[in-house]
Amino acid sequence: GAVVSQHPSRVICKSGTSVKIECRSLDFQATTMFWYRQFPKQSLMLMATSNEGSKATYEQGVEKDKFLINHASLTLSTLTVTSAHPEDSSFYICSAIKVKDTQYFGPGTRLTVL
Amino acid sequence: KNEVEQSPQNLTAQEGEFITINCSYSVGISALHWLQQHPGGGIVSLFMLSSGKKKHGRLIATINIQEKHSSLHITASHPRDSAVYICAGPQGGSEKLVFGKGTKLTVNP
Repeated sequence: GAVVSQHPSRVICKSGTSVKIECRSLDFQATTMFWYRQFPKQSLMLMATSNEGSKATYEQGVEKDKFLINHASLTLSTLTVTSAHPEDSSFYICSAIKVKDTQYFGPGTRLTVL
Repeated sequence: KNEVEQSPQNLTAQEGEFITINCSYSVGISALHWLQQHPGGGIVSLFMLSSGKKKHGRLIATINIQEKHSSLHITASHPRDSAVYICAGPQGGSEKLVFGKGTKLTVNP
């Protein structure tokens, strides 16, 4: 099956710093990737849709200046959490669309902001 | 009301038991996903199906489009199957997914 990777898998940072998370489709090109966030004991929540070569589309309530998304190539999307605060600590997951209705998930990145 | 409902919320089984997790959805979907999330958090995509049945090892997923219902079965369950199982379906014809709240499965030796 298709493979989606995320890097890093875990990151701990100080409050006020920015953190970049990468999402790569390893064996296919993805014009669309999604970024999700998961709080403890809750389900995944869609944050934004990342489209290659265009601006990301953010879900209601998600601050686009806080969570910067760049989909610069067909195999890479990045999520940058800017000026991170402890409340940004969460599990961030990406997924990539290979063909219609086939969405592959990355393993996730656990962010802890001290 | 969540568009994707799972049951049960929690499930405890003894090793070797046959497990069934159910998923119902309220809107028409083109494909339904079953995902597995282990305690460490990583998500593994188990199945994507739009009709009928799929099998992978001890895992079987079925879907009934007319009844808007899908089931995930685990045969001969094992403690390593302990995880949260999540079903998800596309939202309103788009590629965005709506997720169920998950079923936490614990298989005891």
